[in-house]
Amino acid sequence: EVQLLESGGGFIQPGGSLKLSCAASGFSFSSYAMSWVRQAPGKGLEWIATISDSGSDTYYADSVRGRFTISRDNSRNTLYLQMKSLRAEDTAVYYCANGGGYWGQGTLVTVSS
Amino acid sequence: SYELTQPSSVSVSPGQTARITCSGDVLPKKYLRWFQQKPGQAPVLMIYSENERPSGIPERFSGSSSGTTVTLTISGAQVEDEADYYCYSAADNNWVFGGGTKLTVL
Repeated sequence: EVQLLESGGGFIQPGGSLKLSCAASGFSFSSYAMSWVRQAPGKGLEWIATISDSGSDTYYADSVRGRFTISRDNSRNTLYLQMKSLRAEDTAVYYCANGGGYWGQGTLVTVSS
Repeated sequence: SYELTQPSSVSVSPGQTARITCSGDVLPKKYLRWFQQKPGQAPVLMIYSENERPSGIPERFSGSSSGTTVTLTISGAQVEDEADYYCYSAADNNWVFGGGTKLTVL
């Protein structure tokens, strides 16, 4: 069974940093591109970053480019999202998703003073 | 980047056919997916590659396309199909979601 388990969310002040993790199991992690998608309260889904299966290529939405970094450790079957210079508008549930269409349950990030 | 446009809401009675459209300037059908999201839950993949269903997805869900519009069809919608639906395209290093459609079945 495919499982994706996000962690690392929480309450953070504007300008702060946070690192999210996504532990994967039940599939060949190193064979799939992985993505982070977020959903602000009451809003739609927003793609924010994708990393290739090997980790050599990364892609970002304009809204997070230069502030967020996606990475992966294939030896640990884990995906990461390092978030810096956080803003109130980054408040959202953050989901990791694999290239096969499976999603985790999400982790909530709240940016507020 | 480009945009995918969906109607904000669609309403049908139980047993009727629901159609949700997704329009874009460029829609590579091979990479087009539909997700269902119920309140408080993660999205679930319903359709991929325009008209393929993952295992476990009921046959009443299907996809089709015409020109630059793709359509999710729910034949004989059930009350449990009430949810938000999102189209999604991942092609040419360009990933984008439609704005989502709230399907009401009552």
